[in-house]
Amino acid sequence: DAGITQSPRHKVTETGTPVTLRCHQTENHRYMYWYRQDPGHGLRLIHYSYGVKDTDKGEVSDGYSVSRSKTEDFLLTLESATSSQTSVYFCAISEGLGGEETQYFGPGTRLLVL
Amino acid sequence: GNSVTQMEGPVTLSEEAFLTINCTYTATGYPSLFWYVQYPGEGLQLLLKATKADDKGSNKGFEATYRKETTSFHLEKGSVQVSDSAVYFCALSGRAAGNKLTFGGGTRVLVKP
Repeated sequence: DAGITQSPRHKVTETGTPVTLRCHQTENHRYMYWYRQDPGHGLRLIHYSYGVKDTDKGEVSDGYSVSRSKTEDFLLTLESATSSQTSVYFCAISEGLGGEETQYFGPGTRLLVL
Repeated sequence: GNSVTQMEGPVTLSEEAFLTINCTYTATGYPSLFWYVQYPGEGLQLLLKATKADDKGSNKGFEATYRKETTSFHLEKGSVQVSDSAVYFCALSGRAAGNKLTFGGGTRVLVKP
């Protein structure tokens, strides 16, 4: 257990509405990540953060933005949700140094966009 | 870029059977390799990892050896149990900035009593 929580755990929303997902960690990890999980695609990286206010894009960042104003919180925002963003979203942190880095995942948020 | 290919499932086995899930990768340099497991309704858990060539990761009876010459990291277990029913993901970290993970598509394993 890497002390990662995600909220909400389930959400149903309508196309065109904004949605914010929260990832909270308690162990002061520098790196945090947002992935989405879709059948047949495994997990794909949306955005990641390497410190407060320091973020970068991943493989599937279009339609998503992130913010990290505190070490412990990493927010993922869908500015205007679309049905293609229906997915399970996982947050992760990275532990370790010097080639031994390992990512640990939160419990996930299941998002349905109608 | 980096990529991971793993066998498609579902893989259906009887209890006590031998399990192999193939995973091959493409990466520049010397990636770290991982197997994650996702039990029904849960998040991903790290199962095992290897960080350099010829390393063997092991956990809960599962093993995988980092084979640089064949760019593979196949997962094996000698005698599966019903409780091993899950989706298994192979992943690599290219050690570039951000230590980002690249995942395979996942393999669903169903073990029947």
